[in-house]
Amino acid sequence: DIVMTQSPFSLAVSEGEMVTINCKSSQSLLSSGNQKNYLAWYQQKPGQSPKLLIYYASTRQSGVPDRFIGSGSGTDFTLTISDVQAEDLADYYCLQHYSSPYTFGAGTKLELK
Amino acid sequence: EVQLVESGGGLVKPGSSLKLSCVASGFTFSSYGMHWIRQAPKKGLEWIALIYYDSSNKFYSDSVKGRFTISRDNSKNTLYLEMNSLRSEDTAMYYCAKSFSGSVDYWGQGVMVTVSS
Repeated sequence: DIVMTQSPFSLAVSEGEMVTINCKSSQSLLSSGNQKNYLAWYQQKPGQSPKLLIYYASTRQSGVPDRFIGSGSGTDFTLTISDVQAEDLADYYCLQHYSSPYTFGAGTKLELK
Repeated sequence: EVQLVESGGGLVKPGSSLKLSCVASGFTFSSYGMHWIRQAPKKGLEWIALIYYDSSNKFYSDSVKGRFTISRDNSKNTLYLEMNSLRSEDTAMYYCAKSFSGSVDYWGQGVMVTVSS
């Protein structure tokens, strides 16, 4: 199984700051067939279902603000949130869908400083 | 608008069975793979099962393989999760979710399953 190591566990930020969340996979998520990385990022606010932010490592889902940026390839991936807003306070998860069983990172809690 | 509505959860005793349903609307259900994903109280997300659009393939996490069965009825736009031999560690919110480019885009609101004596 592919293990997703997500860091940090939690992050305290002020509005307007930039934050980065990392996910490292135990094997490459890059498909040789289409050169896409099978990595997605999700945001989950308290009491809500998760919401897709980024797919194929760097493609923003429709309607997601451009302050959310996904990057990385192979085994190392990053979600960057520039100019953090109060509404961004949530849990964030990465998901590998390269091979079954799909696996999530442990999550990162973004809190206000 | 895509809607996924789960039902069938509740409080059950260890060793018992339960069947969850998820009714889909707002998209062509028969064209998309579907997932079940769960989240134990105050814990992270755990993917547990995937079924292809035509039921030709099914995949499971190791934690539920052999105990849970995913299925679908495209004529009813409904996804199912049959859960047998339930354990306390199966206590979680269960989400059905729509497949999108291999990952997941839309999620239901979830249904709670509590396994306790």
